[in-house]
Amino acid sequence: GDSVTQMEGPVTLSEEAFLTINCTYTATGYPSLFWYVQYPGEGLQLLLKATKADDKGSNKGFEATYRKETTSFHLEKGSVQVSDSAVYFCALIGGQGGKLIFGQGTELSVKP
Amino acid sequence: NAGVTQTPKFRILKIGQSMTLQCAQDMNHNYMYWYRQDPGMGLKLIYYSVGAGITDKGEVPNGYNVSRSTTEDFPLRLELAAPSQTSVYFCASSKQGTGELFFGEGSRLTVL
Repeated sequence: GDSVTQMEGPVTLSEEAFLTINCTYTATGYPSLFWYVQYPGEGLQLLLKATKADDKGSNKGFEATYRKETTSFHLEKGSVQVSDSAVYFCALIGGQGGKLIFGQGTELSVKP
Repeated sequence: NAGVTQTPKFRILKIGQSMTLQCAQDMNHNYMYWYRQDPGMGLKLIYYSVGAGITDKGEVPNGYNVSRSTTEDFPLRLELAAPSQTSVYFCASSKQGTGELFFGEGSRLTVL
């Protein structure tokens, strides 16, 4: 079945450092890909999405490119802030819609 | 905007007790979901619904039941609570099965 694998955390960075969180997926057909963010004590929020190969999703300085050839959707940010400390989830939904499948999450901690 | 509202936020149950987690959304969304979140395990789909009167199992449905009598409400029933059901439960909704979910704030359940 469909699945998502993320790099393990926690990831600890200094403020203004470059961030990459790796995400790879297994799916039949042409899934849509997502990054969700969960701030402490809150529910998840959609951060960005891409619906077809080579699409780039972006929001709040974060970017991710849908790479079909490597089945990847890595999350990047050029300069992280303390306020970016959260858990980040990669997710996919199959071409026929319905169920969103999540990776295990990657905790990011940004130190001043 | 209320969005997705979950109650209760916290609950402690004894082994063998039953309870219902309530979820309501005011966005007229067709799709609703219940996930559980365990540390380091990401989110696992318990049940989902694509409309009133229609429900289907997710990855981890055992020990749970759902109903969807209205578009707004999607309660999750736990029968005969077990320690393995100790978790944080999230309800979510979406307009269509596009993967763009709106999450509630979560319900933390402890079974002792």
